[in-house]
Amino acid sequence: GAGVSQSPSNKVTEKGKDVELRCDPISGHTALYWYRQSLGQGLEFLIYFQGNSAPDKSGLPSDRFSAERTGGSVSTLTIQRTQQEDSAVYLCASSPTRYQQSDTQYFGPGTRLTVL
Amino acid sequence: KNQVEQSPQSLIILEGKNCTLQCNYTVSPFSNLRWYKQDTGRGPVSLTIMTFSENTKSNGRYTATLDADTKQSSLHITASQLSDSASYICVVSRRTGANNLFFGTGTRLTVIP
Repeated sequence: GAGVSQSPSNKVTEKGKDVELRCDPISGHTALYWYRQSLGQGLEFLIYFQGNSAPDKSGLPSDRFSAERTGGSVSTLTIQRTQQEDSAVYLCASSPTRYQQSDTQYFGPGTRLTVL
Repeated sequence: KNQVEQSPQSLIILEGKNCTLQCNYTVSPFSNLRWYKQDTGRGPVSLTIMTFSENTKSNGRYTATLDADTKQSSLHITASQLSDSASYICVVSRRTGANNLFFGTGTRLTVIP
């Protein structure tokens, strides 16, 4: 079956511009996560959606970052007024149930963002 | 300080040889530990998951071990293949708290012919 998909696969933007990154989770998965992976660094948690509950935004690095999940499915991560330090691979993952600790996450291929 | 430390950072081995990757963690209270494989340009893919009571788990040529007392895990790869070239990421879950997943920075494995 279809896995997690992300678009675009690559995005090059100029400093100060806004960008939107899209994630389509596996159908029926209730949990959705966004991570950032910088060169040589581990995965950095950004935000977590679980069903209709309020999202856990504790990992968002600044108020320039926001995310929404419409209809419990597709999610969009928006970065406003991009900075060069925002350059990274942004990974989305979904998992089937509400138990973050025990579920395996299925990752998308990521969006590589380059801010010039 | 990162609560999950992996070693070595990178490793080069000959095809057919075995290797062992290490993961040490301080995450508490512990829930489970996962190993992921991440091919270049792809998202991580789960290899194994172990809870507190499990000390070994195999997935084909991959065998993970867990010592919950010393908070150490290892991933052993047997008879390596070129397709094993990837980053291997250790992820530890905490039983409580808002953000419960802690990621290591990974070990970059290169298998050469």
